[in-house]
Amino acid sequence: SQTIHQWPATLVQPVGSPLSLECTVEGTSNPNLYWYRQAAGRGLQLLFYSVGIGQISSEVPQNLSASRPQDRQFILSSKKLLLSDSGFYLCAWSAGRLGQGSNQPQHFGDGTRLSIL
Amino acid sequence: AQTVTQSQPEMSVQEAETVTLSCTYDTSESDYYLFWYKQPPSRQMILVIRQEAYKQQNATENRFSVNFQKAAKSFSLKISDSQLGDAAMYFCASSGNTGKLIFGQGTTLQVKP
Repeated sequence: SQTIHQWPATLVQPVGSPLSLECTVEGTSNPNLYWYRQAAGRGLQLLFYSVGIGQISSEVPQNLSASRPQDRQFILSSKKLLLSDSGFYLCAWSAGRLGQGSNQPQHFGDGTRLSIL
Repeated sequence: AQTVTQSQPEMSVQEAETVTLSCTYDTSESDYYLFWYKQPPSRQMILVIRQEAYKQQNATENRFSVNFQKAAKSFSLKISDSQLGDAAMYFCASSGNTGKLIFGQGTTLQVKP
């Protein structure tokens, strides 16, 4: 069966420090991968998605970047965190080929609660 | 562009009763999918049910069912025999040909014993 791991679960960082959140998927190959951010009491906003190694699409301009160095690894990074980067970050994966009529459901990790001080 | 709207920020239901959560959407795509996700206090996102837009039959998963009205672009979730464990935030979402999910603002469901 497929599993998705996301870490760390909680992170407290000072303003201006770097960030690296990691997400890995097991039990499947060539997944579509996604990073979302959820502000307190709000819905999810798609930040990045990837259909393959080295392929990253950004949905909103921001202080963050994403990378996919391996097929089942998705990393969310920042060189200098801002207060506005605080939130709950969720990684997700889905099967199928995006853009070709495949709409498999997305499966989410447990999330990372990021607090910027 | 796709949009998803949940007009009920909060709902409450008595245990064992039935509750319906509303969702409307807008899309220009002819082929799309609709989903309901549950987010309990642990903040995990759990898929509850999904509906293919080309199917006329409403999806059902045990105590959860949807009322899909394609012409009205409405996709409501009905929870029957509500249980305390159903208390959570519920998100409606749609995806088009790109597979990217667009989420509504969420509805917080309270279940009263």
